[in-house]
Amino acid sequence: DIQMTQSPASLSASLGETVSIECLASEDIYNNLAWYQQKPGKSPQLLIYYASSLQDGVPSRFSGSGSGTQYSLKINSLESEDAATYFCLQDSEYPWTFGGGTKLELK
Amino acid sequence: QVKLLQSGAALVKPGASVKMSCKASGYTFTDYWVSWVKQSHGKSLEWIGEIYPNSGATNFNEKFKGKATLTVDKSTSTAYMELSRLTSEDSAIYYCTIRSGGFAYWGQGTLVTVSS
Repeated sequence: DIQMTQSPASLSASLGETVSIECLASEDIYNNLAWYQQKPGKSPQLLIYYASSLQDGVPSRFSGSGSGTQYSLKINSLESEDAATYFCLQDSEYPWTFGGGTKLELK
Repeated sequence: QVKLLQSGAALVKPGASVKMSCKASGYTFTDYWVSWVKQSHGKSLEWIGEIYPNSGATNFNEKFKGKATLTVDKSTSTAYMELSRLTSEDSAIYYCTIRSGGFAYWGQGTLVTVSS
């Protein structure tokens, strides 16, 4: 199985700051990488697919980049509603596998 | 709009089975693979498997083979997942989801609690 190592596990940032979350795949996943946001008690929501494509309705302060085995999610100008847990998912090879999650706290 | 409505929470005894549902609306049910995802309390997500409603074809995470059975009822646009021989390790929230780009649409989740 492809292992997805996500970092950091938790993050504390202030409103207006910019943060990045990383996912490292154990092998090349050819940009087949998506990012999700999950708030407590809610289902995950798709933010980014195919590494850098912004899902409809997602604010443009979210962006994704990367290639090969290294991918990142960047959130510009943090807003209070961005407090959540973020997951990456590779759907390059079965079984699809998720990163361990990053809990983002707003100071 | 696309909706995935999952069945309610279940409390089941160890060793028993549970079957949960995911009723789809707002799109052509047979056009998209339906995946199931497990989220244990406070932990990350695990992909269980997927089923293609048009043909019934399935793909599974090896970890869940023998544990999960996926079926569909095309007449009601409903996908089902049955979990067998339940243990405490199966206590979790289970989501159904469909892929359009990434997993763009999710059900609200079904909480399964395994307890005697």
